[in-house]
Amino acid sequence: GENVEQHPSTLSVQEGDSAVIKCTYSDSASNYFPWYKQELGKRPQLIIDIRSNVGEKKDQRIAVTLNKTAKHFSLHITETQPEDSAVYFCAASWDSGYSTLTFGKGTMLLVSP
Amino acid sequence: GAGVSQTPSNKVTEKGKYVELRCDPISGHTALYWYRQSLGQGPEFLIYFQGTGAADDSGLPNDRFFAVRPEGSVSTLKIQRTERGDSAVYLCASSFTGAGFYNEQFFGPGTRLTVL
Repeated sequence: GENVEQHPSTLSVQEGDSAVIKCTYSDSASNYFPWYKQELGKRPQLIIDIRSNVGEKKDQRIAVTLNKTAKHFSLHITETQPEDSAVYFCAASWDSGYSTLTFGKGTMLLVSP
Repeated sequence: GAGVSQTPSNKVTEKGKYVELRCDPISGHTALYWYRQSLGQGPEFLIYFQGTGAADDSGLPNDRFFAVRPEGSVSTLKIQRTERGDSAVYLCASSFTGAGFYNEQFFGPGTRLTVL
């Protein structure tokens, strides 16, 4: 089955800095890679996703890059703000009419004012 | 519209007891997933429903776990003879499925299960 590794487990940055979280996956058939943000005690919420037919996707301060050859993808957050503090999870799946997500273990991002 | 809802939000039970956890998906979502999230970990897949049938139950850890979705909407996750190791947050997600869709999964708030 799919295995997703995520690094780092914790990341502390100053407000305004950039943050990068990296994930690798094992199943070359995976073609959908979402990122979820989970605040303490709250539900995971999708913040951005990327499909295998593109290498990069941006949404305001958030971007995701995908390297299918190397089987890794990354989340980039620019101009970080304290409200970005949360646990971020990457996930991978393949689409056969449904998509069971395999998650990484998460990265706790702390943005200090 | 309303998101995915789960009840109860918290459940405390004693070892050996039976529990039921409920999930109400987003209206019109045909796919429903159950995940389990232990402290400091990412969600782990348990079971997936497409309509009323369990299309994939490969993530259920053992036969004490069972889930149903009799009318293709609400789902109930049932755990028999609970063990302390079952303590976790149980998350439900739903998505709309269709040909060519990469299915964004919307998560519920979870049920925190504590087995004493």
